[in-house]
Amino acid sequence: GIQVEQSPPDLILQEGANSTLRCNFSDSVNNLQWFHQNPWGQLINLFYIPSGTKQNGRLSATTVATERYSLLYISSSQTTDSGVYFCAAPSGGSYIPTFGRGTSLIVHP
Amino acid sequence: SQTIHQWPATLVQPVGSPLSLECTVEGTSNPNLYWYRQAAGRGLQLLFYSVGIGQISSEVPQNLSASRPQDRQFILSSKKLLLSDSGFYLCAWSVRTVSLNTEAFFGQGTRLTVV
Repeated sequence: GIQVEQSPPDLILQEGANSTLRCNFSDSVNNLQWFHQNPWGQLINLFYIPSGTKQNGRLSATTVATERYSLLYISSSQTTDSGVYFCAAPSGGSYIPTFGRGTSLIVHP
Repeated sequence: SQTIHQWPATLVQPVGSPLSLECTVEGTSNPNLYWYRQAAGRGLQLLFYSVGIGQISSEVPQNLSASRPQDRQFILSSKKLLLSDSGFYLCAWSVRTVSLNTEAFFGQGTRLTVV
C-alpha cells in the first residue's frame, strides 16, 4: 500500500512565527487531506486538496501530485494552532485514507 | 448537513469484558464507513471499512469485529477485551463515488482504557 511520510515529526514555535509542514506519499493519489487533531483528540478537516493550492485564513496548502508531496503553511501561528497535524491519502485505485504519523506542533505564547 | 455521532466519549473496561462502540451518520445515504484506532505514537491505523449494509472488510487481524446493521450505523465490538485494545477509536465516513475523489469526516472519538 501507499506510504505517507510527514516531516518534521515535532515542531516548536513562538507565537507569530510561520511554519511549513510536509507530506510525501509513495504512490499516485486521487485525493489528499490535511487534518488538525485538537487536544481533545478530534480530527478537524483543514483541506481537501488533490492538487493545486488552497487558502483558508492563515492556513494554506499546496499539493504537487506529479511530485508526490503536499505542503501545509501556517502563518502568524497562534497558541490555538497547537496539536497534531495529519495528512492522509488513499492508495491508487482506493478511496480509503492512509495516514502519516503526524507533525506535533506546539506554539508558545 | 451531514453529521457523525460516536459514543461513548470515554470508556474504562476490565480485561475480558465485552465492548460495543457505536457510530451513526446523519444527512447522507449509502456512505463508506471506517473504524480507525490511534495508539500511543500518534499514527491512525485502519481497522475496518464498509461500503454497505452487512459488508465489512478487515484490515488488521485482531480481537475486534465490526458490523453494519443499518445503512448509517457502524458498530465496533469485542467479546473479550485485551490490555492491548486500549487506545483512541475513531469512526469516519465518506461519500461513495466512482471517481474515488472523496473527503473523509471523523467523529469525536472514543478513548478506551482496558484495565
